[in-house]
Amino acid sequence: NAGVTQTPKFQVLKTGQSMTLQCAQDMNHNSMYWYRQDPGMGLRLIYYSASEGTTDKGEVPNGYNVSRLNKREFSLRLESAAPSQTSVYFCASGGQTYTGELFFGEGSRLTVL
Amino acid sequence: EDQVTQSPEALRLQEGESSSLNCSYTVSGLRGLFWYRQDPGKGPEFLFTLYSAGEEKEKERLKATLTKKESFLHITAPKPEDSATYLCAVQVRGAGNMLTFGGGTRLMVKP
Repeated sequence: NAGVTQTPKFQVLKTGQSMTLQCAQDMNHNSMYWYRQDPGMGLRLIYYSASEGTTDKGEVPNGYNVSRLNKREFSLRLESAAPSQTSVYFCASGGQTYTGELFFGEGSRLTVL
Repeated sequence: EDQVTQSPEALRLQEGESSSLNCSYTVSGLRGLFWYRQDPGKGPEFLFTLYSAGEEKEKERLKATLTKKESFLHITAPKPEDSATYLCAVQVRGAGNMLTFGGGTRLMVKP
């Protein structure tokens, strides 16, 4: 049982380049989330999708776009990367009866030079 | 603005030395408070959900409690394998499925 799978695990970009972080879950969860984690800042929500076909902004959405491709997959795109987007990105999913129990992937470490 | 503050930022304990981690919150209406454990290089792993003041949850050496303004994670006789960062998060009424996380407490237990 893979749970939540993120790719890539590591990526180095130059300022202005674009990239997409991929996330897939195999638990049949309705809701999916993208967080970023920075030292001293905790986890901050970028975007989330409460169900297939819907997406909503979180706390720090600027500079990002998302796509809920189907129930399993939720991607995060950086159109023009900036050094401020250097961070560790986590994808998470949650069941239909929301209890705050999120299942997280192992993270994608992104460095923007 | 909803805020979650965890203290201390870091805590060093000897094996067997019990202690508590604090999570204080200021929110417009609490729907639930959640504790997670995060190991280095890994994603957070869910531990507990607390919904109302006075509620307690236990798991092995960990016990989480909730009051109207804060939550405590009590660690009894910790072992080195309890070393991790512990995160608390809140869900606020009217904020949909969003969780607001605190900055975490990094716990180090020495043998």
